[in-house]
This record gives sequence, structure tokens and C-alpha cells, in this order.
Amino acid sequence: EIVLTQSPATLSLSPGERATLSCRASRSVSSYLAWYQQKPGQAPRLLIYDASNRATGIPARFSGSGSGTDFTLTISSLEPEDFAIYYCQQRSNWPPFTFGPGTKVDIK
Amino acid sequence: EVQLVESGGTLVQPGGSLRLSCAASGFTFTSYDMNWVRQAPGKGLEWVSYISNSGDTIYYADSVKGRFTTSRDSARSTLYLQMNSLRVEDTAVYYCARRLGVGNWGQGTLVTVSS
Repeated sequence: EIVLTQSPATLSLSPGERATLSCRASRSVSSYLAWYQQKPGQAPRLLIYDASNRATGIPARFSGSGSGTDFTLTISSLEPEDFAIYYCQQRSNWPPFTFGPGTKVDIK
Repeated sequence: EVQLVESGGTLVQPGGSLRLSCAASGFTFTSYDMNWVRQAPGKGLEWVSYISNSGDTIYYADSVKGRFTTSRDSARSTLYLQMNSLRVEDTAVYYCARRLGVGNWGQGTLVTVSS
């Protein structure tokens, strides 16, 4: 089973700042990594698929990079609606599909 | 517009059974594999089950294997999760997802297992 580790667990930033979130896999997942955003009481929303492709309707301030075992989600300038929990998920080696534990981005 | 609408979640006693449904619309249901993912209160996301577009291939997480059964009805464009021998630790919001890691998710349905 591929284990995904996310860091930091919590990121405290102000609106307008840049957010950099990390996801590391226990072995290579090639580029088969997705990023989700989840707000309280809502379903996860797909942001990025296959490491660097923005999903439909996702603003350009969200970008993904990386391959193999190390991945990054960058939010170039935080908007008030971006404060949420972010999860990564791999679909390279399954079953099982696995998720990271999440990074909470909160307001400083 | 792609829509996935889960239903069937409720309060059930430990050892009980429940069937969840996921009604799909806005896409050709028979062309896509589907998944169930759950999230316990205040916890992260856990994959539960996968079913191929044809229904021929099904996988389960070890935590539910032997207790849960996934199926799909192409005529109704609906995905199902039959949950038996429910445990307190199965309490979660259950989401259906189209092509996990690439596609859409439903809004979820809450299953509470408690006496």
C-alpha cells in the first residue's frame, strides 16, 4: 500500500499570501496524484488531477507540480474562500486508493 | 452537468444493515468506473470500494471486506453499497465518486451506527 504524507499539518497564512503544500508518497506514483479542497460540511472538491492539471472551473491561482514521490500544491495568492483542508490522493498503485492525512490552511 | 446524488444514510444499530444509493446523471454511466469513499466525523478520507464500468471487477478496503457489497444498475444509472454487520467505526459520511482522482464526487450521505 502506498502511504501519502502531507506537510505541514497546519499552515497559518493571511489573505494574499502564497501557500505551498507538500505531499510525499512512500514510493513512486508517477504523475497519478490528485489534490482536493474540503470545506466544513462539504464534499471534497477536485482541484488538480495527474499532478499538474487543473480540474474544470478551478481558478488559475491553484497549481500543482511534481512527479514520482514529491508533489506540491501552490496557491499563488490566498483568497478568503481558500481557507480549508487540502488532501492529496494517489491512483497509481491500487487497490487501495490512498489519501494523505490533509493540510489545514487557516487564517493567521 | 454531471450529478451524483447519494441517499440511504440513517441511524442504524450495531450489527444492522443498510443500503446506500448513488444516482448518476449528466454522463454515460456505463462508461465510467465508480468508487465509494467515506469520512468519519472529524477524520480524513478513506477509500471503501471500486467497481469497474461493466461491474465485472470489484475491490474493497480490508476494513469492509466480507461485510460490504458494491453493485451497479446500468438501467437506473445507480451505484449501490450494501452494508451488513455494521460497526460503530463504520459511522461516516459516504461519498460516491466517478473515476476517483480525476472525476466528480457526490455530496455524501451520513451513516450513523449507534445503539
